[in-house]
Amino acid sequence: GNSVTQMEGPVTLSEEAFLTINCTYTATGYPSLFWYVQYPGEGLQLLLKATKADDKGSNKGFEATYRKETTSFHLEKGSVQVSDSAVYFCALRHRRSNDYKLSFGAGTTVTVRA
Amino acid sequence: DSGVTQTPKHLITATGQRVTLRCSPRSGDLSVYWYQQSLDQGLQFLIHYYNGEERAKGNILERFSAQQFPDLHSELNLSSLELGDSALYFCASSVSWQGEFGYTFGSGTRLTVV
Repeated sequence: GNSVTQMEGPVTLSEEAFLTINCTYTATGYPSLFWYVQYPGEGLQLLLKATKADDKGSNKGFEATYRKETTSFHLEKGSVQVSDSAVYFCALRHRRSNDYKLSFGAGTTVTVRA
Repeated sequence: DSGVTQTPKHLITATGQRVTLRCSPRSGDLSVYWYQQSLDQGLQFLIHYYNGEERAKGNILERFSAQQFPDLHSELNLSSLELGDSALYFCASSVSWQGEFGYTFGSGTRLTVV
């Protein structure tokens, strides 16, 4: 079935460091891909999305490119800040008839130190 | 504030009891999705309603049920509670039943079963 695998954390970085969180997927057809972020004590917020191959989603300095050939959607940010400390979830939206739910990866906890 | 309202924010109850979690979707959204977030299972899809009708079911236990009312708010009923039901329960809403424009999550209800 459709599933998402993302790198396990936790990840600890210093401010201004480069962040990469790997995400790969298994799916039939052409799913839409998302990155969600969860700050402490809050719900999930959509960070960025891509709906077809080679699309690049970007927001708040984060980027991810939908790579069909490698079935990947890795999240990157060139210079992280303390405020980027959160849990990041890669997600896939199914496109089967009558089933458009999101399937999430396990989440990666990122801590950025000043 | 995401526009999705979940009540209560916290709930502590005893094993064997029954609770009702409530979700009001963002204004204009017709779809409501319920997710369970636990440490061992991650984010698991429970059920999806669109405009009052059930659209898809995930790994939802028989002890759990849900419905969406004419005013589009949704309730998740959990009965015969067990310790393992302790988790964060999120609802998300979207404009359409396909969710192609993204999903907006509430801040969740933290259920503790003692």
